[in-house]
Amino acid sequence: NAGVTQTPKFQVLKTGQSMTLQCAQDMNHNSMYWYRQDPGMGLRLIYYSASEGTTDKGEVPNGYNVSRLNKREFSLRLESAAPSQTSVYFCASNLVQGASYEQYFGPGTRLTVT
Amino acid sequence: AQSVTQLGSHVSVSEGALVLLRCNYSSSVPPYLFWYVQYPNQGLQLLLKYTTGATLVKGINGFEAEFKKSETSFHLTKPSAHMSDAAEYFCAVSLFSGANNLFFGTGTRLTVIP
Repeated sequence: NAGVTQTPKFQVLKTGQSMTLQCAQDMNHNSMYWYRQDPGMGLRLIYYSASEGTTDKGEVPNGYNVSRLNKREFSLRLESAAPSQTSVYFCASNLVQGASYEQYFGPGTRLTVT
Repeated sequence: AQSVTQLGSHVSVSEGALVLLRCNYSSSVPPYLFWYVQYPNQGLQLLLKYTTGATLVKGINGFEAEFKKSETSFHLTKPSAHMSDAAEYFCAVSLFSGANNLFFGTGTRLTVIP
């Protein structure tokens, strides 16, 4: 199993450009999440999808949109990138049942907006 | 509201010395608690978790943590630091097993001095 995969690994955008970050998991998890990580601030939840067909806002959703394409894939879109969106983005997933509550993380996408 | 406080954004220990990383949480109900580790340029990996049962939890790489409800703490310890333990450590809290509610502390960067 590859676990949680993210593409691309690195991206540089100019202010106002758009892009989509891709995330896929092969663990048959029902919930998926997008976080951003900034120095000194830990990880903050942007959006999540509790199950296929549903999405909800997290702590910092402004400037982002998401799509739960199917059970495996959860994408994050920046419609008009801003320098404040320079960050490392992590996708995560979990099963949300049984005794396994932890989230599994992808390797991250390092995004710079100039 | 729930929150997580990690005391000390940077901790340095000598190789072979005790590692103690502090985590306190605030929650109106007993939470689920997690410690994650992040090595440079990688995603987060679960070290250990507390959900129910025994309050002393053992994790990977010789780490353990004790849930102390009276102190609202979940400190991470390791008896003898190894160079490979150098990383950033995140404490996280969740109220339920469900989606959307994993809250992270701001992280503690551990340096191991040879």
